[in-house]
Amino acid sequence: NAGVTQTPKFRILKIGQSMTLQCTQDMNHNYMYWYRQDPGMGLKLIYYSVGAGITDKGEVPNGYNVSRSTTEDFPLRLELAAPSQTSVYFCASSSTENQPQHFGDGTRLSIL
Amino acid sequence: ILNVEQSPQSLHVQEGDSTNFTCSFPSSNFYALHWYRWETAKSPEALFVMTLNGDEKKKGRISATLNTKEGYSYLYIKGSQPEDSATYLCASRNAGNNRKLIWGLGTSLAVNP
Repeated sequence: NAGVTQTPKFRILKIGQSMTLQCTQDMNHNYMYWYRQDPGMGLKLIYYSVGAGITDKGEVPNGYNVSRSTTEDFPLRLELAAPSQTSVYFCASSSTENQPQHFGDGTRLSIL
Repeated sequence: ILNVEQSPQSLHVQEGDSTNFTCSFPSSNFYALHWYRWETAKSPEALFVMTLNGDEKKKGRISATLNTKEGYSYLYIKGSQPEDSATYLCASRNAGNNRKLIWGLGTSLAVNP
């Protein structure tokens, strides 16, 4: 059982480039989340989704976009990469909002 | 944003010691409290989700209690082992934060053999 799969694991971008972080889950979970984790800071919610076709902003959505066309996939897009977006990004999913979240292995993104 | 605070920030214990740490969260409009274990170079792994005041949960040598009226939860590890070394995160869901999980910074536990 693969669980939550994130790709890529590492990426270096130049300022102004765009990219999509992929996230897919095979547990048929309705809820999916994108977090970023910076040194000395807690996990910060970027965007979340409660089901296919429904997305909403978290605490730190600026500079990011998401879509949820299927239950399985929840890609995160950076349109104009900025150094402030250098971080480790985690995707997670859960069956309901009060069930445990299952995390992917993370994507380490550096913007230079 | 209503904050979640964890203490201590870090802890060093000897193998065999029992230990505990605290998560403080907003008590108003409480929905749920999550505990996760996060090993270095891995991703967070769920330990417990607790919703009811007075709830106690146990998983092997790890247990947790919940006091929603005063807004705190304790995580206990009995007879710590080196493999328990990790960061332990808690996160709270409250109506005041639009029901999103708000995460603490974690307690980093190091167990010396």
